Amino acid sequence: DGGITQSPKYLFRKEGQNVTLSCEQNLNHDAMYWYRQDPGQGLRLIYYSQIVNDFQKGDIAEGYSVSREKKESFPLTVTSAQKNPTAFYLCASSIVTGTGGTSLHFGNGTRLTVT
Amino acid sequence: GDSVTQMEGPVTLSEEACLTINCTYTATGYPSLFWYVQYPGEGLQLLLKATKADDKGSNKGFEATYRKETTSFHLEKGSVQVSDSAVYFCALHISSGSARQLTFGSGTQLTVLP
Repeated sequence: DGGITQSPKYLFRKEGQNVTLSCEQNLNHDAMYWYRQDPGQGLRLIYYSQIVNDFQKGDIAEGYSVSREKKESFPLTVTSAQKNPTAFYLCASSIVTGTGGTSLHFGNGTRLTVT
Repeated sequence: GDSVTQMEGPVTLSEEACLTINCTYTATGYPSLFWYVQYPGEGLQLLLKATKADDKGSNKGFEATYRKETTSFHLEKGSVQVSDSAVYFCALHISSGSARQLTFGSGTQLTVLP
C-alpha cells in the first residue's frame, strides 16, 4: 500500500545536538511538507517542496533545514539553533495541480524530545 | 491573511449524542475547505472536504456544508461513538499558482464516553 513513512516514532536528543527526521513516500507525489504540532496550537508549516532540488520556507523555518534530493524523500534536520525543538513533527505529501481541493496525506509523525 | 477559527475544546459527549464543532474562516479568495481527524499517536487523515459554496462533504456519518454567506464549515454528526474520540482540525486551502499549503485551525479534542 502507498503511504508516507516517518521514522523513528520517538526520538530523544540532548540540547545542542542536531537531529534528522526521516520522511519517505511511495505515493509518487511531487509536493512534500513538514509541519510542527504543539498542544493547542494546531499545525504550523516549517518547510515545503514542490519539486526535487527545490524547497521553500514555511511560517517557522528558523532553526530547521531540509533537502529534497529524491522525489520520495524529504528529511528534516532540527539544528541546535532551534530554541524550543521538543514537539510532534508531521510530514505530508500531495499531488501538484492548478486547482484547489487536493488534500494532504500525512505520516504518523515523530515525537522529538530534547533535554 | 487566511485564517481558520475553530470551536475550542475539549468537548466531552456521551455515546449517541449529537456533535457540532464550529469552524469559521477568513480568506481573500475562494478556498477549498477540509476537516481532518487525528487519532491518538497518529498523523492526520482527511475526513471530508468541500470545494465550492453550498457543497456538502460527508464521510463516516460526519457532514459539513460550505456556507459562503457565513464563512463557515461546521462539522456535524448525529450520533457519536466511542471510536470517534480524536482531535478534529478544520482547514482551508487557496490555490496560489502551484503552491500547495493548508491553513489549519487549532484543533478540537473530542472525547466520547460509553
